Amino acid sequence: EPEVTQTPSHQVTQMGQEVILRCVPISNHLYFYWYRQILGQKVEFLVSFYNNEISEKSEIFDDQFSVERPDGSNFTLKIRSTKLEDSAMYFCAYQARDAPVGYTFGSGTRLTVV
Amino acid sequence: KNEVEQSPQNLTAQEGEFITINCSYSVGISALHWLQQHPGGGIVSLFMLSSGKKKHGRLIATINIQEKHSSLHITASHPRDSAVYICAVRGSQGNLIFGKGTKLSVKP
Repeated sequence: EPEVTQTPSHQVTQMGQEVILRCVPISNHLYFYWYRQILGQKVEFLVSFYNNEISEKSEIFDDQFSVERPDGSNFTLKIRSTKLEDSAMYFCAYQARDAPVGYTFGSGTRLTVV
Repeated sequence: KNEVEQSPQNLTAQEGEFITINCSYSVGISALHWLQQHPGGGIVSLFMLSSGKKKHGRLIATINIQEKHSSLHITASHPRDSAVYICAVRGSQGNLIFGKGTKLSVKP
């Protein structure tokens, strides 16, 4: 499976600060997703991104969140003003059209808001 | 009510044992996924199923669409199989709805 690199692997930020999480898929796929996992809880869907537009978002994905694919390669998740409850592991994923297992997940970014 | 329920939540096995993890779901799906999450947090896709059965090495996944149930089996379990195994279903919008996971520990 092609790798999906996420940066940074771990970020500690002050409450109220903006953070940008980055995802760099190797292949040029159309469907991208962001998920998050609060420690000890299940993985939750945040947003899906298709053809450079948001196609679906969850209740979690409020106005503090935004996604972009600024240069056709990197895929970013921005949190404008972080809250303590944003502390979680954030995963990007893409769905390959013909892949037998469907999804490839990034390595994850552990965000800690203090 | 959770849309995806897994059982058991925790499972401890001796090396070599046959392991079964179950998943039931309550929503209409286009596919069901089994994923493996390692202690470091990384998630690896194991299977994507929409019907029948798939096998990869010592792993077997089955799904019964009518009963809305899937099972993941591990034959001849090994300590390196220790991980959290997650069932997730893909809804009509394409995003995944995750179960809480089953934490498997295989003792040597």
